[in-house]
Amino acid sequence: SQQGEEDPQALSIQEGENATMNCSYKTSINNLQWYRQNSGRGLVHLILIRSNEREKHSGRLRVTLDTSKKSSSLLITASRAADTASYFCATVREGTDKLIFGTGTRLQVFP
Amino acid sequence: DTGVSQDPRHKITKRGQNVTFRCDPISEHNRLYWYRQTLGQGPEFLTYFQNEAQLEKSRLLSDRFSAERPKGSFSTLEIQRTEQGDSAMYLCASSRGWTGRNQETQYFGPGTRLLVL
Repeated sequence: SQQGEEDPQALSIQEGENATMNCSYKTSINNLQWYRQNSGRGLVHLILIRSNEREKHSGRLRVTLDTSKKSSSLLITASRAADTASYFCATVREGTDKLIFGTGTRLQVFP
Repeated sequence: DTGVSQDPRHKITKRGQNVTFRCDPISEHNRLYWYRQTLGQGPEFLTYFQNEAQLEKSRLLSDRFSAERPKGSFSTLEIQRTEQGDSAMYLCASSRGWTGRNQETQYFGPGTRLLVL
């Protein structure tokens, strides 16, 4: 079963705008990861944030983690049409190796 | 550095038939994972291997499903007596596992899309 929920389920923006996606989860974790999936394709790893980290950046991506609220957010700045995809958060519990995915946010960026 | 590859990319079969999928991980990765993804949902964990040992199986993996990694390199996932509910994308991933308390990234293959008629 899914670990948690992502919000919003779908998001439509114009190129150049910022996109923010939120992820909530249920149990204590070792790390949280964000993946991107283009329609019908495999998953591409974007960023991993460990439970003792609060914020991480990678290019136009910014991820925050609040373990007290069991939530994370992914911010994509200056979005491009090529960012159109589904974005999933995935958590890893302490002592396990499997990824537990959320339900995903479908992002549409219009040129 | 080649990524994770999966074969076939698409499979259409009739209910009741057996199917087998193959996954070739990144060569230096000792951990290999199988996930299943249905339309509109996130992937769900099925099983994983460290080298040739199968370390964990999800309750989603009924007795019709079997996975092997005989030499610790490629893996196969077989579904016997397929049912329409088995229609999904089957994703394989590989990683180096853990370095101390830090988990290494899981890299995913392109998936095998199964349609059971």
